[in-house]
Amino acid sequence: EVQLVESGGGLVQPGESLRLSCAASGFTFSSYWMHWVRQAPGKGLVWVSRINTDGSSTTYADSVKGRFTISRDNANNSLYLQMNNLRAEDTAVYYCAREYSSSSTRVFDFWGQGALVTVSS
Amino acid sequence: DIQMTQSPSSLSASVGDRVTIICRASQSISNYLNWYQQKPGKAPKLLIYTTSILQSEVPLRFSGSGSGTGFTLTISSLQPEDFATYYCQQSYSTPRTFGQGTKLEIK
Repeated sequence: EVQLVESGGGLVQPGESLRLSCAASGFTFSSYWMHWVRQAPGKGLVWVSRINTDGSSTTYADSVKGRFTISRDNANNSLYLQMNNLRAEDTAVYYCAREYSSSSTRVFDFWGQGALVTVSS
Repeated sequence: DIQMTQSPSSLSASVGDRVTIICRASQSISNYLNWYQQKPGKAPKLLIYTTSILQSEVPLRFSGSGSGTGFTLTISSLQPEDFATYYCQQSYSTPRTFGQGTKLEIK
């Protein structure tokens, strides 16, 4: 059974840092691109970042570029999101998601349960 | 970045109704269009991918169609468990942008 379990969320003050983790199981983690998606309270889904299979290529939303870093540890089936210089507008539930890809399909087929990050003084 | 626009933003309907949600892309995305369902406090769940392919175990009352810049999600006969928020997403390019969501509520 495919499982993605996020951890590391919490309450931090503006300007502080936090590291989210996503533990993957039930599939060959190193074969999939992985993404982070966030959802502010009462708002819609917003894509944050993605990483390719070996971690050599990453992409970020403009709103987090230069502050967030996505990484992965394929030996330990884990995905990370290092979030620095956090702002109030980063307050959200953060989801990790697996992207299934084929010649004609790219889709987030499995999602974690989410980790809440609250940035407030 | 490709912008995704859904309409309507909210919709009131009754059990048994047929409903259609529209998703438009700011440029052609071929058929790289996915639909997700989200219920309060839960993670999004994949419903339909590549415009019209139903994810495993998704009821046949759900269907998707379209190509290029215009897409639709149709629920042929609403069931109580279908009241949720629905999001379209393009996977043609990065960033993988989402529509703003359509909240389907009970009339």
